[in-house]
Amino acid sequence: KAGVTQTPRYLIKTRGQQVTLSCSPISGHRSVSWYQQTPGQGLQFLFEYFSETQRNKGNFPGRFSGRQFSNSRSEMNVSTLELGDSALYLCASSSGSGGPYSYNEQFFGPGTRLTVL
Amino acid sequence: GNSVTQMEGPVTLSEEAFLTINCTYTATGYPSLFWYVQYPGEGLQLLLKATKADDKGSNKGFEATYRKETTSFHLEKGSVQVSDSAVYFCALRGSGGSYIPTFGRGTSLIVHP
Repeated sequence: KAGVTQTPRYLIKTRGQQVTLSCSPISGHRSVSWYQQTPGQGLQFLFEYFSETQRNKGNFPGRFSGRQFSNSRSEMNVSTLELGDSALYLCASSSGSGGPYSYNEQFFGPGTRLTVL
Repeated sequence: GNSVTQMEGPVTLSEEAFLTINCTYTATGYPSLFWYVQYPGEGLQLLLKATKADDKGSNKGFEATYRKETTSFHLEKGSVQVSDSAVYFCALRGSGGSYIPTFGRGTSLIVHP
């Protein structure tokens, strides 16, 4: 079974631009979460989606947004990029419905390395 | 809110040495605890987990025991290999409204032949 795939793997943008990252979950998984990983802050939760609905959102500004499609694939968008947005963005998928009452193991993709110049 | 504190690295060991990576947490209620491993260029992989006090999670020679009295979940391995070189993350998942996983900063392990 193919794992979680993320595209692109590497991205270089300049301040003020916007970027869209894509995540394809493991086949059959309907829950997708996004995390930002930086040396200074570690892994921080961005969003969680299930069945095209955002179930939870982390403490990030409104420049960070996401969505999920009917095939469970997910995208996240960052508008008006800042230098501090440089990070590894990780996507994780899991079976089950997610949320507080249904835990299933999360499987992580390799991440998209975003560099903002 | 929930928090996870793990020892800073890098931890540098010779092959076959004993490994301990400390992890302590702050959380209300009864969280589930996890260790993840991240190899270079890859995403995180679940290494082991424990869902209640005194549970011991184990996998690939690694072990960690859920100690509620000391709010700790230290990772141990009796004899490390070069292939264990990676970054290790301790994480917790609270209950109810705190169900989103909280991760530690990660500890880099370097094992020399």
